[in-house]
Order: sequence, then structure tokens, then C-alpha cells
Amino acid sequence: LAKTTQPISMDSYEGQEVNITCSHNNIATNDYITWYQQFPSQGPRFIIQGYKTKVTNEVASLFIPADRKSSTLSLPRVSLSDTAVYYCLVGHQGDDKIIFGKGTRLHILP
Amino acid sequence: EAGVAQSPRYKIIEKRQSVAFWCNPISGHATLYWYQQILGQGPKLLIQFQNNGVVDDSQLPKDRFSAERLKGVDSTLKIQPAKLEDSAVYLCASSPRGPRPNNEQFFGPGTRLTVL
Repeated sequence: LAKTTQPISMDSYEGQEVNITCSHNNIATNDYITWYQQFPSQGPRFIIQGYKTKVTNEVASLFIPADRKSSTLSLPRVSLSDTAVYYCLVGHQGDDKIIFGKGTRLHILP
Repeated sequence: EAGVAQSPRYKIIEKRQSVAFWCNPISGHATLYWYQQILGQGPKLLIQFQNNGVVDDSQLPKDRFSAERLKGVDSTLKIQPAKLEDSAVYLCASSPRGPRPNNEQFFGPGTRLTVL
């Protein structure tokens, strides 16, 4: 049973804001939502983590509604270098297993 | 701060041969993970250690894969004998905290294995 559901791929253009949504209906009460970014030929890299409402850092923003059953990663003014695969990772009710889904392949066009 | 080191970066072997991968985590990180990432898929956790103890190896194909972290620092992952379907990137990650999804993981560059 998949813990998270994300779009398989997305395309956008340089300078636009990109929003990637992740569904996680069975998120554990005490667990956070974590997003990783992976460039080709590299390991994933942590980009942001949150528990509720909104979190912002120098790279992205993370929006989490009150029911916490989904989250949206927002990348402001993307550039070609944001082309990567983005994964969301959550804890699960009664199960601490670490499961990466297939991620969202984001392709930024000039 | 040095990152997670892995070697070799690339390895090509024939099926039924043996292969070993090495990982040196970030200094002081108690938790170490090994993942298998097949082309086009997300990383699949094979085994996680906390210090030198195994926390979870439920997805490790134990008939052919083995891993150890003898002194709670470096780790090796071995495949013996390799099959064609083992062709993948093997990623090592470490975390300063316990082995839970919440805790930030720091990944190495991976070892790309091709089995012919």
C-alpha cells in the first residue's frame, strides 16, 4: 500500500511558480512531511520539512492543510536547474517504515 | 563537513559474480541506510542500522544480499551471486538521529551497478 501519491511528471517554464501536491491520507499523528529533491546521477537531497500550516526556507515553501492529508511543495520562480525528481516522504500510522514513492519528475523548459 | 562517501562509483560485473559496496557516513551519524534505486523508480530501503545494530532489513533479499556495519561507522553491502535484476544505483545515507521517516537523511552519490 503506497503511503504517498504524487503526479508522475510535470512541465513548467522558467520564472514560473511550480506547485507539486502529495497525498498522504494515513499520515501518523506525530509525523512530519519531508520533501527531497534528486538530480540525475546524485542521491536525494533534503529540501524542506513541515508539520502543519506553512513552512518556508530559502529554497521552497511547504503548505499543509489542517487535516494534513496532503501537502504542496511550492517552488518560486523556477529555473532550468530545478529540473529534478521530487519525493515526499511521511511517517505512517503504526508503521515507521521509510518508503519513497516514485516521485514527481519536474521538467523546466526555457 | 564532509558528506557521505561511497565507493566505487561504478561497477560492471557478470551475473553470478560477487560485488561489494562501501559507505562512510557523515562523522557522528548513528543511523545508516542502504537503498536500491532502479532506473525510473524511487529509492527502495534495503537495510537500516543504528550504530552497529540492524533496525530493519525486511526488504533485503537475504539469500544474496548481506550488509554489515561492524564498528558502527563504515558499512559494506555485498551481493553474492548477482542477478541481472540487481542492476541499479545503490545509495547510502546517514542521519544524526534515529531511523524514522521524519529524520533528515544525507545521501551519498551512489554506486551504479550494471550486471551483464
